[in-house]
Amino acid sequence: AQSVTQLGSHVSVSEGALVLLRCNYSSSVPPYLFWYVQYPNQGLQLLLKYTSAATLVKGINGFEAEFKKSETSFHLTKPSAHMSDAAEYFCAGDSYDKVIFGPGTSLSVIP
Amino acid sequence: GAVVSQHPSWVICKSGTSVKIECRSLDFQATTMFWYRQFPKQSLMLMATSNEGSKATYEQGVEKDKFLINHASLTLSTLTVTSAHPEDSSFYICSARGGGRGTSEQYFGPGTRLTVT
Repeated sequence: AQSVTQLGSHVSVSEGALVLLRCNYSSSVPPYLFWYVQYPNQGLQLLLKYTSAATLVKGINGFEAEFKKSETSFHLTKPSAHMSDAAEYFCAGDSYDKVIFGPGTSLSVIP
Repeated sequence: GAVVSQHPSWVICKSGTSVKIECRSLDFQATTMFWYRQFPKQSLMLMATSNEGSKATYEQGVEKDKFLINHASLTLSTLTVTSAHPEDSSFYICSARGGGRGTSEQYFGPGTRLTVT
């Protein structure tokens, strides 16, 4: 079955520290991958997407992700966390006619 | 970027009544719209996919007679929760896509919080 997994349901980092959110996908999921951010009681906002043009994808708000086919990974990083980055993050893969979401990772930023 | 709106943003209804949620693509034509349900602290669960002018395709376990979806135009899809019960209380999110899979991304609405009392 196609799946997207996110290691760590909750991640805490200090303000200014590196943010690393992990995402792995099953090999049967087509390599159209996305990272979304969700703030409380709001919809989803696209951070970045991989569509096979380049393995290192830069997104909004200083986030970037690297697609590694050999590791079936698409981890999200940001060099320096900001308080406003505290939110829920979802990795997703675009399968035929539908998007498969990972379980989400809640990011907390400690002042 | 493309904008998708939902109305209402929140609704409270009594058990046994029906409630309709609208999803609109404001500046593009949405050939496909998706309806998701999200419980607190959980991920989005796809309920159904609707293509303009066609019957919706429901995911396994989703009652099509309870969650009625209509995609009558390229800019509007509606989800009607019929005979709502407290267990239907949830956050409902729609998304819209203008083209095909992959590079044509989904644009998400802001969500509708449904509370059934």
